[in-house]
Amino acid sequence: DADVTQTPRNRITKTGKRIMLECSQTKGHDRMYWYRQDPGLGLQLIYYSFDVKDINKGEISDGYSVSRQAQAKFSLSLESAIPNQTALYFCATSEEGLQGTYNSPLHFGNGTRLTVT
Amino acid sequence: AQSVTQLGSHVSVSEGALVLLRCNYSSSVPPYLFWYVQYPNQGLQLLLKYTTGATLVKGINGFEAEFKKSETSFHLTKPSAHMSDAAEYFCAVTVEKSYQKVTFGTGTKLQVIP
Repeated sequence: DADVTQTPRNRITKTGKRIMLECSQTKGHDRMYWYRQDPGLGLQLIYYSFDVKDINKGEISDGYSVSRQAQAKFSLSLESAIPNQTALYFCATSEEGLQGTYNSPLHFGNGTRLTVT
Repeated sequence: AQSVTQLGSHVSVSEGALVLLRCNYSSSVPPYLFWYVQYPNQGLQLLLKYTTGATLVKGINGFEAEFKKSETSFHLTKPSAHMSDAAEYFCAVTVEKSYQKVTFGTGTKLQVIP
């Protein structure tokens, strides 16, 4: 059973459409993240959240927004999709490290493959 | 700022041969280093991590990595490749007080030839 569940797994949409990608987790982690993966570029951080009232921009937040509806739910929205947002999107979680450190590993969902035509 | 360089976007080895995937990092403060593996149509999974202490780190599936500060390297090795090791491998670095800003390398796809 997946601890981090992303829906949908695949989505094709048209330029200008609004789309939401959803993520839910059963790991009990406070920290949640959205990453984008492009071939040959590794993963880039879009947004992260350390609790329900804490939302932070990552490296590439332009064109994206997020909502942390509950400790276990973190959704990513593309307000007006464009073709260069075609990518594989991952949600991830992590727990707070010992003494508030930041060395806890990330736990990933299986990804959403988004195509914008 | 931290960065990661993975040498070789594609590596091919024969089944039973040594696997060596290279990772070099740049960081102005002591780093935390990770290797993740990604199988087709799946998310990334943690293979191993280095935080502090012993510099030789053992992970799952027979993989290990050695943190070498003098060489700023964290290469991943496995003595004998198995067909099931075919996947993409990502090295990643973060540092204390980085608010979990993890920097990933661009990945190395490992092909295992029977």
